[in-house]
Amino acid sequence: AQKITQTQPGMFVQEKEAVTLDCTYDTSDQSYGLFWYKQPSSGEMIFLIYQGSYDEQNATEGRYSLNFQKARKSANLVISASQLGDSAMYFCAMTPEGTGGFKTIFGAGTRLFVKA
Amino acid sequence: DSGVTQTPKHLITATGQRVTLRCSPRSGDLSVYWYQQSLDQGLQFLIQYYNGEERAKGNILERFSAQQFPDLHSELNLSSLELGDSALYFCASSVDSGRAPDTQYFGPGTRLTVL
Repeated sequence: AQKITQTQPGMFVQEKEAVTLDCTYDTSDQSYGLFWYKQPSSGEMIFLIYQGSYDEQNATEGRYSLNFQKARKSANLVISASQLGDSAMYFCAMTPEGTGGFKTIFGAGTRLFVKA
Repeated sequence: DSGVTQTPKHLITATGQRVTLRCSPRSGDLSVYWYQQSLDQGLQFLIQYYNGEERAKGNILERFSAQQFPDLHSELNLSSLELGDSALYFCASSVDSGRAPDTQYFGPGTRLTVL
């Protein structure tokens, strides 16, 4: 069965420092997509970054980058130069390719606290 | 702003009642997904519609139903509400090209409180 594991329920980071949020996944599919979402206290789910399983380069979007290690089945989110507004819940998700989004699975999330 | 709209933002109702949650997908997106997020269950997939047709069902209770209209907006109907139905309900939309995994863009959610 497919599974997403986020082992860090909560993390603290000092403002302006970088932080890595861990995500490991388990799948027998060869082709899939990996996503990260941010959920601030206001509740909305904000798409941050996407990595395809066949992409050779790690995805980057502004201060977000995805450290993709396919052999280890990990897709860690790196946030550089943390800001107070980065305090939120972060979810890792995976969608098998070609099956439609209904097979997307989400991790339990990591709550990030950014300290001033 | 994801481009997905949901109304209402908050809903407070009593047990046994029925409510309707509304969602408008991003322009051009054909798929709409409904999710329930509760504290103890995480994000649970309920149902997906694609271009007006039901495509997939997840952990949706029989008391819940949904539909997608010709203009692609969708409604989630929750009936005979119970205290345990209190949760944040999300609608998400995607292009659903059937090729590369599509990004699902989420609406702001409807927070349902059943008293």
